[in-house]
Amino acid sequence: NAGVTQTPKFRILKIGQSMTLQCTQDMNHNYMYWYRQDPGMGLKLIYYSVGAGITDKGEVPNGYNVSRSTTEDFPLRLELAAPSQTSVYFCASRGTGYTKNIQYFGAGTRLSVL
Amino acid sequence: GQQLNQSPQSMFIQEGEDVSMNCTSSSIFNTWLWYKQDPGEGPVLLIALYKAGELTSNGRLTAQFGITRKDSFLNISASIPSDVGIYFCAGQKGGSEKLVFGKGTKLTVNP
Repeated sequence: NAGVTQTPKFRILKIGQSMTLQCTQDMNHNYMYWYRQDPGMGLKLIYYSVGAGITDKGEVPNGYNVSRSTTEDFPLRLELAAPSQTSVYFCASRGTGYTKNIQYFGAGTRLSVL
Repeated sequence: GQQLNQSPQSMFIQEGEDVSMNCTSSSIFNTWLWYKQDPGEGPVLLIALYKAGELTSNGRLTAQFGITRKDSFLNISASIPSDVGIYFCAGQKGGSEKLVFGKGTKLTVNP
């Protein structure tokens, strides 16, 4: 069972570079999320999506963009990388019904901006 | 942004001991969740709580949704080495997709 798959696992960027963090899920979940986790901190919501074509800002959206053209994929885009974006990024998804509050997380992408 | 106060920050215990950790908030949540994160992995849901006063168990884990809806507790009984990891609480308000996370409790179990 693949679940939520994130690529790449690690990446080093130079200031000002851009990149896309990929996230795909094979559980047919409508809801998908991007979080960042800074050292010693809990996760903070960047963006989320309630279905294909619908996205909304979370708590810390500045410096990021997302798109949701399919149910399976929810890429996160960094346009002009800054050192403050050094973090571990987690993608998550959830379904509806009796498992509605269970967000399934990917293994994370560790990003360093130097 | 809003944050939950989770304590303790870290715990060092002997195998077989019981563990307690808690989360408090200045505002009310409709759902409380407890996650565990192993090194290099994403968080995994342990217990979900949906009603004030609710007490729910999952094996050796027991969690409670506080009566005031501003706090939650997680207990682990008879700890084992594989309990090592970081435990996070998270709160969710009704009608919101946003989870608010605590800073985590890092648990170390000495065999």
